[in-house]
Amino acid sequence: QQQVKQSPQSLIVQKGGISIINCAYENTAFDYFPWYQQFPGKGPALLIAIRPDVSEKKEGRFTISFNKSAKQFSLHIMDSQPGDSATYFCAAVPSGSRLTFGEGTQLTVNP
Amino acid sequence: DTAVSQTPKYLVTQMGNDKSIKCEQNLGHDTMYWYKQDSKKFLKIMFSYNNKELIINETVPNRFSPKSPDKAHLNLHINSLELGDSAVYFCASSHFGGYNEQFFGPGTRLTVL
Repeated sequence: QQQVKQSPQSLIVQKGGISIINCAYENTAFDYFPWYQQFPGKGPALLIAIRPDVSEKKEGRFTISFNKSAKQFSLHIMDSQPGDSATYFCAAVPSGSRLTFGEGTQLTVNP
Repeated sequence: DTAVSQTPKYLVTQMGNDKSIKCEQNLGHDTMYWYKQDSKKFLKIMFSYNNKELIINETVPNRFSPKSPDKAHLNLHINSLELGDSAVYFCASSHFGGYNEQFFGPGTRLTVL
């Protein structure tokens, strides 16, 4: 049973465009939502994270939007660059316990 | 100055063999993890140790046995390897608690022939 559903599975965006990856969850005990970025041949690395007491968090070109009532959150990458091409994982943590990852989205940014 | 290191990076072996993967972290973390990433990139936690004590043991065949000799090391031994064990195995570490950032190693690509 997948507790965090992520879409799309793959995404192709032109350079300069906006990349949007969506995640949805059911478990209301989730209270921390990180995103991890994984480049080919490397391990995942934390990109940005949000707690449900705020609706948005921005770090540079990366923004998390959080909708608590809909139990959805999304990653927006503004001015997408070829160097952003990677696999992105949303994740959720219930009450400080274990991390549960979404299925991953393979992002390709064309030059 | 590698934070989380794994050896070997690649492992190619025959079905039925036994193999081990080693992991070391120099970040001073007290919690370490093993994840399996399948061909579809799905990341699934297998085990977690806190201060050398097993705290997460997911539904993993008992052919997989983790061992943590100390807080900085976590090894994974796999007996009687099967074709379905082919995957990339990642070690990670963090301070205790799910709110803390996990730092991943570079992965070990295991291929079972």
